[in-house]
Amino acid sequence: KNQVEQSPQSLIILEGKNCTLQCNYTVSPFSNLRWYKQDTGRGPVSLTIMTFSENTKSNGRYTATLDADTKQSSLHITASQLSDSASYICVVSRLTGNQFYFGTGTSLTVIP
Amino acid sequence: EAGVTQSPTHLIKTRGQQATLRCSPISGHTSVYWYQQALGLGLQFLLWYDEGEERNRGNFPPRFSGRQFPNYSSELNVNALELEDSALYLCASSSQGRGYNEQFFGPGTRLTVL
Repeated sequence: KNQVEQSPQSLIILEGKNCTLQCNYTVSPFSNLRWYKQDTGRGPVSLTIMTFSENTKSNGRYTATLDADTKQSSLHITASQLSDSASYICVVSRLTGNQFYFGTGTSLTVIP
Repeated sequence: EAGVTQSPTHLIKTRGQQATLRCSPISGHTSVYWYQQALGLGLQFLLWYDEGEERNRGNFPPRFSGRQFPNYSSELNVNALELEDSALYLCASSSQGRGYNEQFFGPGTRLTVL
Protein backbone atom coordinates (compact mmCIF):
# COMPACT_ATOMS: atom_id res chain seq x y z
CA LYS A 1 0.00 0.00 0.00
CA ASN A 2 1.28 3.43 -0.94
CA GLN A 3 1.66 5.48 2.22
CA VAL A 4 3.52 8.49 3.57
CA GLU A 5 4.11 8.85 7.29
CA GLN A 6 5.50 11.90 9.02
CA SER A 7 6.92 12.42 12.46
CA PRO A 8 6.62 14.00 14.86
CA GLN A 9 2.96 14.96 14.58
CA SER A 10 3.69 18.25 16.32
CA LEU A 11 6.74 20.07 17.54
CA ILE A 12 7.38 23.17 19.64
CA ILE A 13 10.80 24.82 19.54
CA LEU A 14 12.38 28.05 20.69
CA GLU A 15 13.14 30.76 18.19
CA GLY A 16 16.67 30.41 16.86
CA LYS A 17 16.88 26.65 17.43
CA ASN A 18 17.20 24.00 14.73
CA CYS A 19 14.80 21.13 14.14
CA THR A 20 14.41 18.10 11.89
CA LEU A 21 11.18 16.66 10.55
CA GLN A 22 10.93 13.10 9.26
CA CYS A 23 9.09 11.50 6.37
CA ASN A 24 8.93 7.74 5.62
CA TYR A 25 7.19 6.41 2.57
CA THR A 26 6.25 3.17 0.86
CA VAL A 27 5.15 4.71 -2.45
CA SER A 28 6.34 2.72 -5.43
CA PRO A 29 7.53 3.16 -8.08
CA PHE A 30 9.01 6.37 -6.75
CA SER A 31 9.11 9.50 -8.87
CA ASN A 32 9.86 12.43 -6.59
CA LEU A 33 9.39 13.80 -3.10
CA ARG A 34 8.34 17.30 -2.18
CA TRP A 35 8.21 19.21 1.06
CA TYR A 36 5.51 21.84 1.41
CA LYS A 37 4.88 24.50 4.03
CA GLN A 38 1.25 25.22 4.81
CA ASP A 39 0.32 28.23 6.91
CA THR A 40 -2.97 27.95 8.77
CA GLY A 41 -5.93 28.39 6.43
CA ARG A 42 -3.71 28.75 3.37
CA GLY A 43 -2.70 26.50 0.53
CA PRO A 44 0.64 24.63 0.71
CA VAL A 45 3.74 26.26 -0.76
CA SER A 46 6.57 24.16 -2.17
CA LEU A 47 9.90 24.23 -0.34
CA THR A 48 11.93 21.55 -2.13
CA ILE A 49 11.55 18.75 -4.63
CA MET A 50 13.90 15.79 -5.00
CA THR A 51 14.11 12.98 -7.50
CA PHE A 52 15.59 9.52 -7.02
CA SER A 53 19.14 10.63 -7.79
CA GLU A 54 19.18 13.62 -5.44
CA ASN A 55 20.01 13.12 -1.78
CA THR A 56 20.06 16.69 -0.53
CA LYS A 57 18.58 20.01 -1.56
CA SER A 58 18.53 23.37 0.18
CA ASN A 59 16.22 26.35 0.06
CA GLY A 60 17.52 29.04 2.35
CA ARG A 61 17.29 27.81 5.93
CA TYR A 62 15.50 24.65 4.77
CA THR A 63 17.53 21.56 3.84
CA ALA A 64 15.88 18.36 2.67
CA THR A 65 17.57 14.98 2.46
CA LEU A 66 16.44 11.84 0.70
CA ASP A 67 17.54 8.24 1.14
CA ALA A 68 15.80 6.35 -1.64
CA ASP A 69 17.12 3.02 -0.39
CA THR A 70 15.50 3.30 3.02
CA LYS A 71 12.65 5.42 1.66
CA GLN A 72 13.21 8.17 4.16
CA SER A 73 13.42 11.93 3.90
CA SER A 74 14.07 14.66 6.40
CA LEU A 75 13.57 18.41 6.44
CA HIS A 76 16.03 20.35 8.56
CA ILE A 77 15.21 23.92 9.56
CA THR A 78 18.11 26.03 10.73
CA ALA A 79 17.89 29.03 13.05
CA SER A 80 14.11 28.87 13.26
CA GLN A 81 12.01 32.02 13.07
CA LEU A 82 8.51 32.75 14.32
CA SER A 83 7.32 32.75 10.72
CA ASP A 84 8.36 29.10 10.41
CA SER A 85 5.31 28.18 12.49
CA ALA A 86 3.23 26.14 10.07
CA SER A 87 2.39 22.63 8.99
CA TYR A 88 5.06 20.87 6.92
CA ILE A 89 3.81 18.29 4.49
CA CYS A 90 5.75 15.57 2.72
CA VAL A 91 4.37 14.53 -0.67
CA VAL A 92 5.53 11.56 -2.71
CA SER A 93 4.49 10.90 -6.28
CA ARG A 94 4.58 7.72 -8.30
CA LEU A 95 6.09 7.26 -11.72
CA THR A 96 2.77 6.05 -13.06
CA GLY A 97 -0.74 7.40 -12.75
CA ASN A 98 0.33 10.92 -11.78
CA GLN A 99 -0.95 10.39 -8.24
CA PHE A 100 0.40 12.21 -5.24
CA TYR A 101 0.51 10.76 -1.73
CA PHE A 102 0.44 13.22 1.12
CA GLY A 103 1.64 12.80 4.66
CA THR A 104 -0.56 14.18 7.44
CA GLY A 105 2.06 16.80 8.18
CA THR A 106 4.10 17.99 11.14
CA SER A 107 2.73 21.01 12.94
CA LEU A 108 5.65 23.22 13.96
CA THR A 109 5.28 26.01 16.49
CA VAL A 110 8.18 28.38 17.05
CA ILE A 111 7.95 30.34 20.29
CA PRO A 112 9.94 33.43 21.28
CA GLU B 1 1.64 36.94 -12.09
CA ALA B 2 -1.57 35.90 -10.40
CA GLY B 3 -1.55 32.65 -8.48
CA VAL B 4 -4.20 29.98 -8.29
CA THR B 5 -7.50 31.45 -7.19
CA GLN B 6 -10.47 29.69 -5.65
CA SER B 7 -14.01 30.75 -4.90
CA PRO B 8 -15.85 31.02 -2.69
CA THR B 9 -13.58 31.33 0.32
CA HIS B 10 -16.20 29.84 2.58
CA LEU B 11 -19.32 27.86 1.81
CA ILE B 12 -22.00 26.68 4.21
CA LYS B 13 -24.51 24.07 3.11
CA THR B 14 -26.89 21.62 4.71
CA ARG B 15 -27.00 17.85 4.34
CA GLY B 16 -28.34 16.70 1.00
CA GLN B 17 -27.58 19.94 -0.83
CA GLN B 18 -25.11 20.39 -3.65
CA ALA B 19 -21.93 22.45 -3.51
CA THR B 20 -19.99 23.97 -6.40
CA LEU B 21 -16.41 25.09 -5.92
CA ARG B 22 -14.38 26.95 -8.53
CA CYS B 23 -10.71 27.19 -9.36
CA SER B 24 -8.71 29.31 -11.77
CA PRO B 25 -5.20 28.01 -12.49
CA ILE B 26 -2.08 30.04 -13.06
CA SER B 27 -1.98 31.41 -16.58
CA GLY B 28 -0.39 28.87 -18.89
CA HIS B 29 -1.09 25.89 -16.64
CA THR B 30 -3.22 23.18 -18.19
CA SER B 31 -3.49 20.76 -15.28
CA VAL B 32 -5.79 21.25 -12.31
CA TYR B 33 -5.89 19.02 -9.23
CA TRP B 34 -8.48 18.92 -6.47
CA TYR B 35 -7.78 17.81 -2.92
CA GLN B 36 -9.80 17.42 0.24
CA GLN B 37 -8.22 18.27 3.58
CA ALA B 38 -10.44 17.30 6.48
CA LEU B 39 -9.62 18.69 9.90
CA GLY B 40 -6.61 16.94 11.37
CA LEU B 41 -6.07 14.81 8.28
CA GLY B 42 -3.71 15.00 5.34
CA LEU B 43 -4.61 16.05 1.85
CA GLN B 44 -6.58 13.44 -0.04
CA PHE B 45 -6.41 13.44 -3.83
CA LEU B 46 -9.79 13.93 -5.46
CA LEU B 47 -9.46 14.64 -9.17
CA TRP B 48 -6.96 15.58 -11.86
CA TYR B 49 -7.93 17.41 -15.03
CA ASP B 50 -5.64 18.12 -17.93
CA GLU B 51 -6.49 19.71 -21.26
CA GLY B 52 -10.18 19.54 -20.46
CA GLU B 53 -10.31 15.86 -19.61
CA GLU B 54 -10.45 13.94 -16.36
CA ARG B 55 -7.16 12.04 -16.16
CA ASN B 56 -7.43 10.42 -12.76
CA ARG B 57 -9.57 10.37 -9.67
CA GLY B 58 -8.96 9.39 -6.09
CA ASN B 59 -10.91 7.02 -3.91
CA PHE B 60 -14.04 9.14 -3.58
CA PRO B 61 -17.68 8.31 -4.39
CA PRO B 62 -19.21 9.41 -7.71
CA ARG B 63 -21.08 12.27 -6.04
CA PHE B 64 -17.73 14.08 -6.19
CA SER B 65 -17.38 15.24 -9.76
CA GLY B 66 -16.05 18.12 -11.74
CA ARG B 67 -15.02 19.48 -15.05
CA GLN B 68 -12.42 21.64 -16.71
CA PHE B 69 -13.39 24.42 -19.05
CA PRO B 70 -11.66 25.49 -22.30
CA ASN B 71 -9.86 28.27 -20.40
CA TYR B 72 -8.51 25.56 -18.02
CA SER B 73 -10.48 26.78 -15.04
CA SER B 74 -12.21 24.03 -13.15
CA GLU B 75 -15.27 23.31 -11.10
CA LEU B 76 -15.74 20.73 -8.36
CA ASN B 77 -19.26 19.58 -7.63
CA VAL B 78 -20.28 17.67 -4.55
CA ASN B 79 -23.79 16.25 -4.63
CA ALA B 80 -25.91 14.94 -1.75
CA LEU B 81 -23.66 16.56 0.83
CA GLU B 82 -22.86 14.64 3.98
CA LEU B 83 -21.57 15.97 7.27
CA GLU B 84 -18.18 14.35 6.70
CA ASP B 85 -17.73 16.37 3.52
CA SER B 86 -16.89 19.35 5.72
CA ALA B 87 -13.29 20.16 4.87
CA LEU B 88 -10.88 22.54 3.20
CA TYR B 89 -10.91 21.90 -0.53
CA LEU B 90 -7.68 22.82 -2.23
CA CYS B 91 -7.06 23.30 -5.90
CA ALA B 92 -3.61 23.14 -7.45
CA SER B 93 -2.34 23.73 -10.96
CA SER B 94 0.76 22.71 -12.85
CA SER B 95 2.14 23.42 -16.26
CA GLN B 96 2.04 19.89 -17.62
CA GLY B 97 0.19 16.70 -16.90
CA ARG B 98 3.18 14.93 -15.40
CA GLY B 99 4.00 14.27 -11.79
CA TYR B 100 7.41 15.93 -11.79
CA ASN B 101 6.09 19.41 -12.33
CA GLU B 102 5.47 21.49 -9.23
CA GLN B 103 1.92 22.02 -8.12
CA PHE B 104 0.93 25.51 -7.07
CA PHE B 105 -1.91 25.60 -4.58
CA GLY B 106 -4.75 28.03 -4.17
CA PRO B 107 -5.93 29.31 -0.79
CA GLY B 108 -8.75 26.78 -0.59
CA THR B 109 -12.49 26.79 -0.07
CA ARG B 110 -13.71 25.95 3.41
CA LEU B 111 -16.90 23.88 3.05
CA THR B 112 -19.06 23.41 6.11
CA VAL B 113 -21.97 20.99 5.98
CA LEU B 114 -24.57 21.41 8.71
